[in-house]
Amino acid sequence: QSVLTQPPSVSGAPGQRVTISCTGSSSNIGAGYDVHWYQQLPGTAPKLLIYGNSNRPSGVPDRFSGSKSGTSASLAITGLQAEDEADYYCQSYDSSLSGPNWVFGGGTKLTVL
Amino acid sequence: QITLKESGPTLVKPTQTLTLTCTFSGFSLSTSGVAVGWIRQPPGKALEWLALIYWDDDKRYSPSLKSRLTITKDTSKNQVVLTMTNMDPVDTATYYCAHRRTNQLDFDYWGQGTLVTVSS
Repeated sequence: QSVLTQPPSVSGAPGQRVTISCTGSSSNIGAGYDVHWYQQLPGTAPKLLIYGNSNRPSGVPDRFSGSKSGTSASLAITGLQAEDEADYYCQSYDSSLSGPNWVFGGGTKLTVL
Repeated sequence: QITLKESGPTLVKPTQTLTLTCTFSGFSLSTSGVAVGWIRQPPGKALEWLALIYWDDDKRYSPSLKSRLTITKDTSKNQVVLTMTNMDPVDTATYYCAHRRTNQLDFDYWGQGTLVTVSS
């Protein structure tokens, strides 16, 4: 069971907007740690999509956006395209008593209908 | 540009020790603020962070796997090595090494990953 909770799957038609949620707790997202998002296309390594809650690395289309509030964060994808079909993971940092560590969500599979 | 590549055995037996090497280019692990981490992904499952080593040789381990992991670096060879003891079939996964964005908490460059199967 992942420390960060994501919906297992979301779907949308081309051109539509979809959002993926990422829920944490007071020891990670709620503690003020940033949320980052990764896109994993089938059979490939994860790719950094959003860092620092809402920043896009160079080359990432502005169709992808991120936000954070309280103990949760969201990834929004507008103008959905077939090439966006992938797994998406959120990531943060956790400072619980068991020891600080990097934590990931369980991943969300995006299907473009 | 920054690249990373993992190497190591594709098959290990239960109870054996796994040794993986991450060979990188485009940055130096002797530069202040730089760090390299290991993340794994069982087939069809989520990503799991394992360990991270900093430029100053400080190390961090996943609390749940700390007793089994050792991470080291060879700055002259641009390599980071991860060892995991007492391997079990549940450790079957693709193992990735990744560059931590300098002085931040995300991973901006990833290797292609290497699939390790644990089976007798």
